Amino acid sequence: QSVLTQPPSVSAAPGQKVTISCSGSSSNIGNNYVSWYQQVPGTAPKLLIYDNNKRPSGIPDRFSGSKSGTSATLGITGLQTGDEADYYCGTWDTSLSAVLFGGGTKLTVL
Amino acid sequence: EVQLLESGGGLVQPGGSLRLSCAASGFTFSTYAMSWVRQAPGKGLEWVSGIKSSVGSTYYADSVKGRFTISRDNSKNTVFLQMNSLRAEDTAVYYCAKGRGPESFNELEYWGQGTLVTVSS
Repeated sequence: QSVLTQPPSVSAAPGQKVTISCSGSSSNIGNNYVSWYQQVPGTAPKLLIYDNNKRPSGIPDRFSGSKSGTSATLGITGLQTGDEADYYCGTWDTSLSAVLFGGGTKLTVL
Repeated sequence: EVQLLESGGGLVQPGGSLRLSCAASGFTFSTYAMSWVRQAPGKGLEWVSGIKSSVGSTYYADSVKGRFTISRDNSKNTVFLQMNSLRAEDTAVYYCAKGRGPESFNELEYWGQGTLVTVSS
């Protein structure tokens, strides 16, 4: 069981919006930046969001991130079938001196 | 173009050792932190270890502390993961990943294709 808690799955129709939550504690999300990764099965993960809400070059603005207290949220608007993937949150844990990942959320675009 | 190429994976018996390598190109290797992340079959991501840029400070997940050692050779643009006392639960695809800065372990902006490590008798 992961220290960072994500819903196992979310789903929405094409064109709609979905949010994925990531819940932690003061030793991780509460005092450190959060990143989000997208992983299409069989491929390496891809960085979507860093520093809570920044997008690397090439990531469309349909993807957004936010953080409040000890929770973070990934938002995806204008859903496309190509967005079907597993999504992971990640952050540094100050007590453990290690990076933690959430358990992952499988997005299905119906 | 940034490229990360892992090698060294394979089948090893419980209690055995394996050394993974990750050859980097397309960026100034010595100025970036590097990490190893693994993914067991059908499971999620698990950060294994990280090493800062030129200073070389190292960090480990509790699950591998004392058994795995990360190192880097900035002259060869390569990061290594020495894995000793391997257990069945270490079976996973191991990814090498580049941080966004000299001390960035959480912002992994480039990943290799992964190398499979199987621990079984």
